[in-house]
Amino acid sequence: DAGVIQSPRHEVTEMGQEVTLRCKPISGHNSLFWYRQTMMRGLELLIYFNNNVPIDDSGMPEDRFSAKMPNASFSTLKIQPSEPRDSAVYFCASSPYSGGITNEKLFFGSGTQLSVL
Amino acid sequence: AQSVTQLGSHVSVSEGALVLLRCNYSSSVPPYLFWYVQYPNQGLQLLLKYTSAATLVKGINGFEAEFKKSETSFHLTKPSAHMSDAAEYFCAVKNFNKFYFGSGTKLNVKP
Repeated sequence: DAGVIQSPRHEVTEMGQEVTLRCKPISGHNSLFWYRQTMMRGLELLIYFNNNVPIDDSGMPEDRFSAKMPNASFSTLKIQPSEPRDSAVYFCASSPYSGGITNEKLFFGSGTQLSVL
Repeated sequence: AQSVTQLGSHVSVSEGALVLLRCNYSSSVPPYLFWYVQYPNQGLQLLLKYTSAATLVKGINGFEAEFKKSETSFHLTKPSAHMSDAAEYFCAVKNFNKFYFGSGTKLNVKP
């Protein structure tokens, strides 16, 4: 399996522009997570999906952020308009989920390094 | 509520020395605990996880962690550090389907 695939690997944009980050989870995994990593705040969970349905988006910083999962093999995280403080590494992760409390692990993608100038 | 505290954002050891990275957790339910490692410019990779089958958990690359309920700790150790162990290490607790990560500890290994 190719693992969790994220694109682009690096994104540099100007303030005010729309940014779209993409993620392809591992086939057969039905949970998908978006994390943001910064020096100041560490790893923050932004949103997660089960079976393509958003379950918890309490970590989404503000309305400028939105995430979708139109099918089991694709998710996007969009920032519109982007701001310099959005600069961070954004990780996508997936996990099999049996519906109960399990110790299944997260599989992470390589991340997207976002720089907003 | 679930949370993880990692003591020490930076730890430096000499090659061949003992590695000890500390993690304390709080959890309202029996915890599922994990250690992840992140190498530069990469995503997180699982080192080991606590499954409740044994309090001492062995992971990859010679790392192990001991679950101590009385101390609410899950410290990560390795008897002899190698240069390739230089990375950032994250402790995490899982509640239902949400993972809560600590702030991370950067391990530096000196020759």
